[in-house]
Amino acid sequence: DTGVSQDPRHKITKRGQNVTFRCDPISEHNRLYWYRQTLGQGPEFLTYFQNEAQLEKSRLLSDRFSAERPKGSFSTLEIQRTEQGDSAMYLCASSRQTGENTEAFFGQGTRLTVV
Amino acid sequence: AQTVTQSQPEMSVQEAETVTLSCTYDTSESNYYLFWYKQPPSRQMILVIRQEAYKQQNATENRFSVNFQKAAKSFSLKISDSQLGDTAMYFCAFMPPGTYKYIFGTGTRLKVLA
Repeated sequence: DTGVSQDPRHKITKRGQNVTFRCDPISEHNRLYWYRQTLGQGPEFLTYFQNEAQLEKSRLLSDRFSAERPKGSFSTLEIQRTEQGDSAMYLCASSRQTGENTEAFFGQGTRLTVV
Repeated sequence: AQTVTQSQPEMSVQEAETVTLSCTYDTSESNYYLFWYKQPPSRQMILVIRQEAYKQQNATENRFSVNFQKAAKSFSLKISDSQLGDTAMYFCAFMPPGTYKYIFGTGTRLKVLA
């Protein structure tokens, strides 16, 4: 088990382009989360999956953002028509649904820079 | 709205000394979870310690302990015998009941000095 894996680690894109990030959770974890972290701030919740079902989306997730988790395994986060305000670290986390277990394991993140 | 406040943007401590990081939160809930996460430079966040609000006993994990004051909505982290590897951003986080999402504070950057 190598932990939560995110790809790419860094992405530089021009404003208006589309980008897609991938997250591979820990294999036995059925919950998967996306957070966004801007400079000087703590991570902010974007969305959450249980297996393949997207159960909650933050108001931060505008129409330009879409997340999927086909077959309840890896997840993708796509941002369409990127804006400079989208520049941030995008963090993925996963956790196992067992009783009161609430610990999420985080990946190293994808740092997006929109120029 | 539920919020988490960390009022110390940066702190430093000498190696082997003790340091306390502050965290306050705002909620009307009675049952919830509180966490401290550590984010080393260019590394992923890892859980340091967790506290269930219904437990009166303060959580401890080796050199890390918390002072949980439920009435005051305070959740501070004490690091004893600080080590150079403790240098990191520390985030306090709150998890409302019935959800599995964290609400994070803005973090405290801790530097341990040799």
